Amino acid sequence: EPEVTQTPSHQVTQMGQEVILRCVPISNHLYFYWYRQILGQKVEFLVSFYNNEISEKSEIFDDQFSVERPDGSNFTLKIRSTKLEDSAMYFCASSVMGQGNQPQHFGDGTRLSIL
Amino acid sequence: GENVEQHPSTLSVQEGDSAVIKCTYSDSASNYFPWYKQELGKRPQLIIDIRSNVGEKKDQRIAVTLNKTAKHFSLHITETQPEDSAVYFCAGENDYKLSFGAGTTVTVRA
Repeated sequence: EPEVTQTPSHQVTQMGQEVILRCVPISNHLYFYWYRQILGQKVEFLVSFYNNEISEKSEIFDDQFSVERPDGSNFTLKIRSTKLEDSAMYFCASSVMGQGNQPQHFGDGTRLSIL
Repeated sequence: GENVEQHPSTLSVQEGDSAVIKCTYSDSASNYFPWYKQELGKRPQLIIDIRSNVGEKKDQRIAVTLNKTAKHFSLHITETQPEDSAVYFCAGENDYKLSFGAGTTVTVRA
């Protein structure tokens, strides 16, 4: 069964540095998402992306964050000038379609630790 | 925006018994409600979902019910087994995003 893959599985970064989290969505999926989960808390929506544009973003997704589809397979989340509170598990997800009740399939996540 | 509330936060059941988790949502425009199971350190895994034009859906030992008028939906697991132990999240979809509940930690006692 096809899966969403994410790299790296764990990223440790000094506060103030930039990080790029990478995702390869399922190949026939058109909608891509990033979520984050702070330890012990609920999964929170960050951003959705379709046709090389952001479809929706949450209040968490401020100017510190950006997303990109640099080629036909990768989908990246960039966090500039990282802060301690950015430490979390970041999940990428993809779906065949967006609004229209299609299941979102999640990757294994990247655990981001900011020191 | 959508606000999804989930209860209980923890649930301990004897193996073979049933488990029920309840969620409410605030935005009547939400029209798709998936349930995810997350084992420690793993990805959220979709286990069942329901769309707003359906009142109930069943898949083997798992069933979900939806009451659109009351804006609540529930997950029912029958004949629980030790491998059902995990954190379960409900969610509602609206405007290209999922809003998750806080999660229920289910422990099945052997």
